[in-house]
This record gives sequence, structure tokens and C-alpha cells, in this order.
Amino acid sequence: QKEVEQNSGPLSVPEGAIASLNCTYSDRGSQSFFWYRQYSGKSPELIMSIYSNGDKEDGRFTAQLNKASQYVSLLIRDSQPSDSATYLCAYSSYKLIFGSGTRLLVRP
Amino acid sequence: DTGVSQDPRHKITKRGQNVTFRCDPISEHNRLYWYRQTLGQGPEFLTYFQNEAQLEKSRLLSDRFSAERPKGSFSTLEIQRTEQGDSAMYLCASSPNRDRVVGELFFGEGSRLTVL
Repeated sequence: QKEVEQNSGPLSVPEGAIASLNCTYSDRGSQSFFWYRQYSGKSPELIMSIYSNGDKEDGRFTAQLNKASQYVSLLIRDSQPSDSATYLCAYSSYKLIFGSGTRLLVRP
Repeated sequence: DTGVSQDPRHKITKRGQNVTFRCDPISEHNRLYWYRQTLGQGPEFLTYFQNEAQLEKSRLLSDRFSAERPKGSFSTLEIQRTEQGDSAMYLCASSPNRDRVVGELFFGEGSRLTVL
């Protein structure tokens, strides 16, 4: 079992729709979770962090964490073509453990 | 530019040659990480430093790989006797964290290695 599982996609949504990205993790002791965005040919950049159960909103992005189910999700509202990228889920100990990423395509 | 910088950005080499990558982290960051990323995969942890001390090296990393961070500033990653399977993007990242659990990592643009 991989430490972080993500559907590789691509997830295709029309412009303006809500994109829902999901991630499960295996380490029950994990306390810190992150979503990174990676454009093709670029390095990952942090877009959201979440540490407590529930929702955390930042602009068009909402991260959701359910530690009992070992599940993290990222919702992107009003999706734009510029959101087309690979979204990497990660959890933290003294290092970040990444999933393989979900590729998101937002169709104009 | 005060971000993480990596050099070279691209390296093409022949199998069996040695290569070295350099990473200059954000100046006040005490933690430095090396990751490797292949197409369609997420970044894979290789090793990390707290200041000049190398605290962990991935079990997936063969003895052909070595990393240093003299004086706790820049770091180098050397791959000896390169193999075609070493072809990947090598990412360096730094973090200001002093706590046990790392928070945000700031990534450089990466060094892409192609082994012919």
C-alpha cells in the first residue's frame, strides 16, 4: 500500500465548475497535510495546508480533512483554465511524503 | 531573487559518468531536502539536512548517491557511475522549520538529468 494514494486522472471539468480532488493516506499519526500544485515542467508550490479535522477555506480553494477516515480533499470553486495542473497531496513528519498527483484539466 | 536556486538546470550525460548538482537554499532556512521526480509520479524523498548534518537518507538510494551540505549553506548531490534509471528531475527544497514536523517546503526549479 502506498503511503499516499491519489487518482492519477486526468480529471476534466468545464470552466466555472467545482473540481474535487481526493487523497487517502496510511499513517494514522500524521498531523499535517498539504496540497501542492505543479504546472507542467515546473516545481511544486504550496497552495493549502490543513492540520485539524474539518474544512479550511482560502479564496476559491477549500481543503477538507477527516483523520478518522484518513482522507483529505481539495475543492476548487469556479475552476479556471489556469488551474489546469497536477495537484499533489502530501503529509508531513520530518519530511513531506507525496502522492503521485492528480492531473486536472479545466476546459474553457 | 531570494528563492531556492539549483544548478545546472539540465544535464545530459553518458551512462557511467559522474554528475553533481548544486542547491542554494533560502538563506535563513536550516533544513534542506533532495527529492527525485519522474514523469507521472510525485516527488520521492532522497535525503535531508538539518544545518550541516545529514539526518536521513532514503533506503531507496543506492551507494552511488551522495549528498553534502558543508557549513550548513549550499548542498551538492553527486551521482556516480550514472545509469539510465537515474534519469529524472532532481528537486531541492528548503524549510525554515526547527520543529520536528516540517511545514511548508520551498522548491527550486529542479535539475533535469538525462542519462544516455
